[in-house]
Amino acid sequence: EPEVTQTPSHQVTQMGQEVILRCVPISNHLYFYWYRQILGQKVEFLVSFYNNEISEKSEIFDDQFSVERPDGSNFTLKIRSTKLEDSAMYFCASNLDWTDTQYFGPGTRLTVL
Amino acid sequence: KQEVTQIPAALSVPEGENLVLNCSFTDSAIYNLQWFRQDPGKGLTSLLLIQSSQREQTSGRLNASLDKSSGRSTLYIAASQPGDSATYLCAVPISSGSARQLTFGSGTQLTVLP
Repeated sequence: EPEVTQTPSHQVTQMGQEVILRCVPISNHLYFYWYRQILGQKVEFLVSFYNNEISEKSEIFDDQFSVERPDGSNFTLKIRSTKLEDSAMYFCASNLDWTDTQYFGPGTRLTVL
Repeated sequence: KQEVTQIPAALSVPEGENLVLNCSFTDSAIYNLQWFRQDPGKGLTSLLLIQSSQREQTSGRLNASLDKSSGRSTLYIAASQPGDSATYLCAVPISSGSARQLTFGSGTQLTVLP
């Protein structure tokens, strides 16, 4: 069964460093999302992406964040200058149509020291 | 702004018991509602998607119901097993832009005791 994959599974970085989190959505899906979950808190929406552009972004998704779909398979989230409060589990998701089930990847645990 | 609430926050039951998890949402103008399972430190596994036109959706021992007018959904788990122990999340899409990002509840942490 097709699945969303994410790499790395765990990333440790120093405050102020740039990180890139990578996702490979399900191949025929058209809508892509990033969410994050701070330990013990709710899953929060960051950004959605459709037709090669950002569809919607939350207040969390400020100028330090960017997303890219560099080729036909990868979907990346970049944090330019990480802060301690960026430490969280980051999930990528995709669906074929916005009415359909969103399928989530296993997540990348980001730890900022 | 859509708010999603799940009660109880935690639930512990003996193996074999049938149980109900609750989800409520403030804006009834939803397209669908999705139930997920999350194991500790892991990703979200989609369990059921119930469309706004549906009243119920079933998958194996799971049955989800949706009452849009009252802003409620329930997830019924029959004959619970220790392997069902996990956090169960419900989520509804927000209408904005071309995509439909999900708003999540805080989840119900279920423990099924052998």
